[in-house]
Amino acid sequence: QVQLVQSGAEVKKPGASVKVSCKASGYTFTSYGISWVRQAPGQGLEWMGWISAYNGNTNYAQKLQGRVTMTTDTSTSTAYMELRSLRSDDTAVYYCARDLVTGPWGQGTLVTVSS
Amino acid sequence: QPVLTQPPSSSASPGESARLTCTLPSDINVGSYNIYWYQQKPGSPPRYLLYYYSDSDKGQGSGVPSRFSGSKDASANTGILLISGLQSEDEADYYCMIWPSNAWVFGGGTKLTVL
Repeated sequence: QVQLVQSGAEVKKPGASVKVSCKASGYTFTSYGISWVRQAPGQGLEWMGWISAYNGNTNYAQKLQGRVTMTTDTSTSTAYMELRSLRSDDTAVYYCARDLVTGPWGQGTLVTVSS
Repeated sequence: QPVLTQPPSSSASPGESARLTCTLPSDINVGSYNIYWYQQKPGSPPRYLLYYYSDSDKGQGSGVPSRFSGSKDASANTGILLISGLQSEDEADYYCMIWPSNAWVFGGGTKLTVL
C-alpha cells in the first residue's frame, strides 16, 4: 500500500540544523511531489513547502525562505527536509505528505529545539 | 500570507449539527477559491474531508461520510463545514485551507467538542 514513513524524533539546540526524512513506498516516487507541513505543540498547521520528486523543483513558504531546503533521493524514494538556524519556535511535529488532499501523510516527526 | 479565521472552539450535542466557519480576509473573495477541510485527532496527521467551490464543483474525501458537507456564505466571505448527525467520534480539531497565491494557507483550526 502507499505509505510514507518518517524518521524518528530529534532534539536539537538553538542554532543547529535538523534533517527529517520521509521514505515513500507503494507508488512510483517520481510521479508525485512531497509537501511538508508542521504543527507546533497545541497549535495549528503550517505549510512549509513542496518539492517535485520528478525534477527537484521546489516551492517554499515565504516565511522559511533561506532556512529550509527540501531534497529527494530517487534511488531510495526518500524525501528530506532540512531546517537550519533552529529556534525554540521551530519545535513542532513535522509531517510529509504525497498530496495534501489525496494523501497519504507520514506519521509525523517531533523536532524539539531546546538548550 | 493571508490569515484564515476560524473560531477556536465550538460545541454541539450528539445528533445535532455543527457549523464550522472559515473567514477569509476582505481582499480575498471566497467565491474564487476551493475551500478544503481537514479533521485532526490527537496524535494523528490531518485527515482530508472535502473541498467546496460551488454546488457543482465539490469533492468528498475517500470514505468520508456524506454528513460532512461544505458550503460558502459569500456575504460573510466565509467557507463553511457542516457536520450533521454529530457523533462522539467527530470530536476533533478542524482546519480549513486554501491556495491563494503559490502557497497553501491553513486556518487556525476549530476544536469541536461533542457534548
